[in-house]
Amino acid sequence: NAGVTQTPKFRVLKTGQSMTLLCAQDMNHEYMYWYRQDPGMGLRLIHYSVGEGTTAKGEVPDGYNVSRLKKQNFLLGLESAAPSQTSVYFCASSYNFLTEAFFGQGTRLTVV
Amino acid sequence: AQSVTQLGSHVSVSEGALVLLRCNYSSSVPPYLFWYVQYPNQGLQLLLKYTSAATLVKGINGFEAEFKKSETSFHLTKPSAHMSDAAEYFCAVSESGTGNQFYFGTGTSLTVIP
Repeated sequence: NAGVTQTPKFRVLKTGQSMTLLCAQDMNHEYMYWYRQDPGMGLRLIHYSVGEGTTAKGEVPDGYNVSRLKKQNFLLGLESAAPSQTSVYFCASSYNFLTEAFFGQGTRLTVV
Repeated sequence: AQSVTQLGSHVSVSEGALVLLRCNYSSSVPPYLFWYVQYPNQGLQLLLKYTSAATLVKGINGFEAEFKKSETSFHLTKPSAHMSDAAEYFCAVSESGTGNQFYFGTGTSLTVIP
């Protein structure tokens, strides 16, 4: 049982480049989330989705876009990467927002 | 608005000593409360959760937390620390009717001294 899988695990981008992070879950969860984790700031919600075809902004959405074309996948895109987007990104999924969230292993992104 | 405060970004305890990690929350309705643990270079995993049943919640690895409504607290404890408990711990809250999301604290890094 894979749970939540994030691809890639590491990435280095140059300023201005674009990339897409993929999150896949096999638990048939409706809710999916993208967080970024920075030292001393905990986890901050970027975007989330409450079902296939839906997305919503979280606390820090600027510079990111997301799509949920299939229930099991949640994509996070950076159109023009900036050094401030250097962070560890976590995807999570849950049955709803009142139940346990399951997290992926994270993607460490460095923007130079 | 919901918020979570974790007092102490770093906590050090000796092996075998009591672990106490503090979490206070703000919520206008009965909350759902969670503690997660993050080991180095890994994602978060659930330790325990409070969902309006018993106020004392037991989790994995000997951890437990007590929901105190009057103090708006949900502190995490373990009677005797092990070296393997060294990790980052996050408190999170959600509540019905708002936001469709979890709100996380900033985390507490636990160091266990041999």
